[in-house]
Parts: sequence; structure tokens; C-alpha cells
Amino acid sequence: QSVLTQPPSASGTPGQRVTISCSGSSSNIGSQSVYWYQQFPGTAPKLIIYRNDQRPSGVPGRFSGSKSGTSASLAISGLRSEDEADYYCGTWDDSLSGWVFGGGTKLTVL
Amino acid sequence: EVQLVESGGDLVQPGRSLRLSCAASGFTFSAFYMYWVRQAPGKGLVWVARITNGGSGTNYADSVRGRFTISRDNANNMLYLQLNSLTAEDTAVYYCASAWGEVVPGVGHWGRGTLVAVSP
Repeated sequence: QSVLTQPPSASGTPGQRVTISCSGSSSNIGSQSVYWYQQFPGTAPKLIIYRNDQRPSGVPGRFSGSKSGTSASLAISGLRSEDEADYYCGTWDDSLSGWVFGGGTKLTVL
Repeated sequence: EVQLVESGGDLVQPGRSLRLSCAASGFTFSAFYMYWVRQAPGKGLVWVARITNGGSGTNYADSVRGRFTISRDNANNMLYLQLNSLTAEDTAVYYCASAWGEVVPGVGHWGRGTLVAVSP
């Protein structure tokens, strides 16, 4: 059972906009910045969003992040087949004094 | 370019110990928080430990506290994880990760990982 709650799966067709949610509490998302990671099978995760809504250099503008209260979201617009991957949210938890991840969302491009 | 290269993963018997290493380059290692994160086969990411830039502060997941020890050598740009009293539940790919920036302390850059398998 992860501290941060994500839907286990999401899907969309090419060109669509897909949103992945990440729900937490006041001790984590409510008071800390949220990060999002993309992971392809057999490879290391890659940071795609930091500080809730900031994109590292090289990450397409199709990826965007937002946060409201104790929840955060990752949106992917103009969905492409190469976006099919696992996505994880993460943040610091003040109560646990530790980093926490969501359980991950497997995105399928139909 | 940030590079993190893990080593030390192996097949070990339950109860034994292992030491993982992570060689860092391409950034001011001594200024960045560092992390270990693991991923069991077919499962999600699980944070293991964090160490502050100077090395004086450490945090651990409940599942490893008292068994694992994170440490760093800033003079040689190295991060370590000492794993003791290993069990089958510790079987995973272990990733070394750095903060995204000096003022962005969250998990940012990742190594490729090293596999630890615990089996009789």
C-alpha cells in the first residue's frame, strides 16, 4: 500500500490528452513539491516534472504537472505511442521523514 | 552531464551482507543530497535511504532501518549502501539517485541500477 495513490492504469489514443492523478495528504503533497517520473521496461526512471510543474530541459512541452491541495496531476497532451510507459509520482513526507512514491500508473496508447 | 554508476549487486544467501557503491560524476557531488531507491521484479519504486550533502543527516525506510546504512565519500564522489541481514524481500534492482539540484533536493538523476538477489 503506497502512501501516494495513483490509478494502476490509464489509456488513450494517439493525439488525445491523458491525465494521471496522485493523491496524498497534508504531510506530503500538501506541504512538499511533487515530482513525476517516466519508466520504460528494463530501464531506469527518468525525471519529467519537478517542483510540481517544472519541466527539465529536453522533456517535451506535451508533459505538464499541476498540484492542488493534497493532490497532483500529470497531463500528457498530443499522446504518442512512445509515451507508453509507467509513470510515478514522488515527494517528501514530513511525518515519515522519508521520500514516498505512488504505486505507479501504466499508460497504454491504444 | 550527471552520471551515476552503481556496482556491487550480487546473488547472496539470506542473512548475508553486501555493499553497494555508486560512482558519481558530472556535478558537484558534495553539494547534492543522495538517495537509494529499489524496485523488486515487476513492482513499483520504493525509497530506501537518503543522505544529506555533507553526510551528517540520514533517513531510512522503516523496512530497512537498523539493517542498511547509507554513507558517502565526498572526496572521491562515492555513495554507498551497506546491506546487512538480507532477506528474500530485499531482492530488487537498487538505484543510486541524486537530488535534481543543489536547491532542488528531490530525487532527480538516476543511475542504471544494480541487481541484488537474495536466495538460498
